[in-house]
Amino acid sequence: GAGVSQSPSNKVTEKGKDVELRCDPISGHTALYWYRQSLGQGLEFLIYFQGNSAPDKSGLPSDRFSAERTGGSVSTLTIQRTQQEDSAVYLCASSSRQGYGYTFGSGTRLTVV
Amino acid sequence: KQEVTQIPAALSVPEGENLVLNCSFTDSAIYNLQWFRQDPGKGLTSLLLIQSSQREQTSGRLNASLDKSSGRSTLYIAASQPGDSATYLCAVFHTGNQFYFGTGTSLTVIP
Repeated sequence: GAGVSQSPSNKVTEKGKDVELRCDPISGHTALYWYRQSLGQGLEFLIYFQGNSAPDKSGLPSDRFSAERTGGSVSTLTIQRTQQEDSAVYLCASSSRQGYGYTFGSGTRLTVV
Repeated sequence: KQEVTQIPAALSVPEGENLVLNCSFTDSAIYNLQWFRQDPGKGLTSLLLIQSSQREQTSGRLNASLDKSSGRSTLYIAASQPGDSATYLCAVFHTGNQFYFGTGTSLTVIP
């Protein structure tokens, strides 16, 4: 596609439920990142995928968070047993090559009530 | 760990004024630096990308410079317009697998 597509754009969920956030990167982009932005805070790195290499999961805040990337394209970020502190905007970005400029999606605004 | 600082945190200017946003980083061993804008409730829009071997990039009324040795970048906006109102973020790609973001400058251009 022309840009990075994220879905849903908004998600309201009850505390304790699981959620899945989807990112469809630009076709051919091998690098994919997930970041989150809490209200009034900076961007927090979550996870990085590069081609078929093992992902860098060093930014995932707890074992309730996981992500996968199928076929080197679409990525899904899963949050299990959501907590109110998980409320944030989750942003996905992709790049044709590590370190070569990044294109961000519009984000998914997650609200845990 | 790379730390990125943006000054000022907020800026309000009258329409038509030229302005400069500042970004500083602690480790000069970077691959590139990218400036983004973020509108309220929206994602990030890329403005300019400067590779480590470059000193500046220009796009329309925007000009970004990079001084690796001093750990600084500036974003110059000429003839500001109300539509320029947004939060401006700089991001530095360093060694490793992530890029480091500054906390942003919130710009308001008053008509």
